[in-house]
Amino acid sequence: DAKTTQPNSMESNEEEPVHLPCNHSTISGTDYIHWYRQLPSQGPEYVIHGLTSNVNNRMASLAIAEDRKSSTLILHRATLRDAAVYYCILSPKIETSGSRLTFGEGTQLTVNP
Amino acid sequence: EPEVTQTPSHQVTQMGQEVILRCVPISNHLYFYWYRQILGQKVEFLVSFYNNEISEKSEIFDDQFSVERPDGSNFTLKIRSTKLEDSAMYFCASSDKTGRQPQHFGDGTRLSIL
Repeated sequence: DAKTTQPNSMESNEEEPVHLPCNHSTISGTDYIHWYRQLPSQGPEYVIHGLTSNVNNRMASLAIAEDRKSSTLILHRATLRDAAVYYCILSPKIETSGSRLTFGEGTQLTVNP
Repeated sequence: EPEVTQTPSHQVTQMGQEVILRCVPISNHLYFYWYRQILGQKVEFLVSFYNNEISEKSEIFDDQFSVERPDGSNFTLKIRSTKLEDSAMYFCASSDKTGRQPQHFGDGTRLSIL
């Protein structure tokens, strides 16, 4: 599996934007970039995913570098509820079989009031 | 919003006993997964299931583990003879397609082996 690298931890203040980086220099041409997060005592939660173009949804934005070797998850206005471990995961585009998610250590995001 | 539900939320079992963890995936989803997370460690993939058969399994998923979709709604993980090292959070997930579509996770079953 292609590997991702994320900072162990980041801090933000409430209502400020947060940019969570991820490096994936060995990404293959058909790997999707997924972001999940895990709040304390809960299961992982899907945040956003993309292939080449930047993506927006109600939770966040995903900015993908032109060479696809890195991406950034953007939370536009952090809330206390956004405090979680954020995982950047590459998922191969396999059409016919279940595609495992390989979780790394992720980035522990702390949001200060 | 539809969600994946898991029962029980906490299961305490004696070592050597069989345990069955239950999951109700999102109703129109086709792919089903189990993951586990030992306390303080990473989330680890166990198995994926599609069209009533295992499509992929990890090295953790040995002969002690089995999965089943006994009816149209439930998806179960059975551990035949539990060991102390099976103590973990077990997460069920489902998705409607692979790769492009996200996996939706339940909140997990905490399995404690005594």
